[in-house]
Amino acid sequence: QKEVEQDPGPLSVPEGAIVSLNCTYSNSAFQYFMWYRQYSRKGPELLMYTYSSGNKEDGRFTAQVDKSSKYISLFIRDSQPSDSATYLCAMRVNNAGNMLTFGGGTRLMVKP
Amino acid sequence: GAVVSQHPSRVICKSGTSVKIECRSLDFQATTMFWYRQFPKQSLMLMATSNEGSKATYEQGVEKDKFLINHASLTLSTLTVTSAHPEDSSFYICSASAYSYTEAFFGQGTRLTVV
Repeated sequence: QKEVEQDPGPLSVPEGAIVSLNCTYSNSAFQYFMWYRQYSRKGPELLMYTYSSGNKEDGRFTAQVDKSSKYISLFIRDSQPSDSATYLCAMRVNNAGNMLTFGGGTRLMVKP
Repeated sequence: GAVVSQHPSRVICKSGTSVKIECRSLDFQATTMFWYRQFPKQSLMLMATSNEGSKATYEQGVEKDKFLINHASLTLSTLTVTSAHPEDSSFYICSASAYSYTEAFFGQGTRLTVV
């Protein structure tokens, strides 16, 4: 069993839809949670990070963490074609020298 | 966020030659740098972790003599693929972080093609 599981997709939605991306994890020592967006043939770009259970909002993006269920989500409101990319969840323990454990990534396609 | 620059973005080399990829943190001192390899439609596979001034720590299955990593300064790490072969063709990505940072920042990636 992988430490971090993420549905690979692809997930195809119409423009304007609400998108929900999810990851589950097995290591209860994970303390910090991040979402990265990766366009084709580019390096990952940090979207959001959080370290506590609950919601964190930034524009159209909301990151949600439920440590009791070992489950994190990223919601994208009013999705745009420019949101089409691969989304990677990542997490780390507190003292891992910043080493991240990644999910497998979810490919998202937003159709105009 | 912090800026990490990776160069070159794309390189084609002949089989048997060596290729060097540079990763620079432009606006912060990166105490730790990570090198990843990514195959098409797959997630990032961590190859090695390097701390400034120390030898890199390689993940299981990664040949340290083939993938030479140098982290000589707080702003520069290099990955050299020695005696490259077609099976080394891949997308290589570096990331950099500092102890004061929660997150890591990624370079743009290097697409290596060995012919």
